[in-house]
Amino acid sequence: DAGVIQSPRHEVTEMGQEVTLRCKPISGHNSLFWYRQTMMRGLELLIYFNNNVPIDDSGMPEDRFSAKMPNASFSTLKIQPSEPRDSAVYFCASSFPGINSNQPQHFGDGTRLSIL
Amino acid sequence: AQKVTQAQTEISVVEKEDVTLDCVYETRDTTYYLFWYKQPPSGELVFLIRRNSFDEQNEISGRYSWNFQKSTSSFNFTITASQVVDSAVYFCALSEGANSKLTFGKGITLSVRP
Repeated sequence: DAGVIQSPRHEVTEMGQEVTLRCKPISGHNSLFWYRQTMMRGLELLIYFNNNVPIDDSGMPEDRFSAKMPNASFSTLKIQPSEPRDSAVYFCASSFPGINSNQPQHFGDGTRLSIL
Repeated sequence: AQKVTQAQTEISVVEKEDVTLDCVYETRDTTYYLFWYKQPPSGELVFLIRRNSFDEQNEISGRYSWNFQKSTSSFNFTITASQVVDSAVYFCALSEGANSKLTFGKGITLSVRP
């Protein structure tokens, strides 16, 4: 079975450019999560969706970041304009629906983003 | 607010040694879930185990075992007879109630030397 698929795997771009990260969750999973991993802050949740609806975006750093989930099989995380401090590994994860039983999140391989 | 503390930052052992990775959590909820994830050098995050707050039974899976103690708010992970392939960063994580939001600890870097 295909896992969570993220693209691109690596992205290097100059500051000020728009960056779009993509994620395809596991089929049948109805929750999707975007995380950022840095040495300084560790793994932090940016935003998550249930049934394509954003539930909690309190982790989104600022207005330069936006995320969408137009359908159950695709999500994007966009940074515009990008800054060097956005350099990090961005993970997408998805999980099964679960009633009062938080299901484990399954992670993609991540996108390593470098902003020069 | 929920919090996960992994006080150990780096552990180095020789192959075949047993090693325990500590995890202490804080939560005000009576219903919560604890997780362990492994991040090998290749960078992906691999789910290892989930435990809910009502199930304090310890679990064993091959060389891996987990000790959940609500009295000390701990969910420790032991690797028996460690192998070089166990070298990775291990994260403990917590979610509360029906909220799917995961809070991760800082992670423990485990190095297993041949």
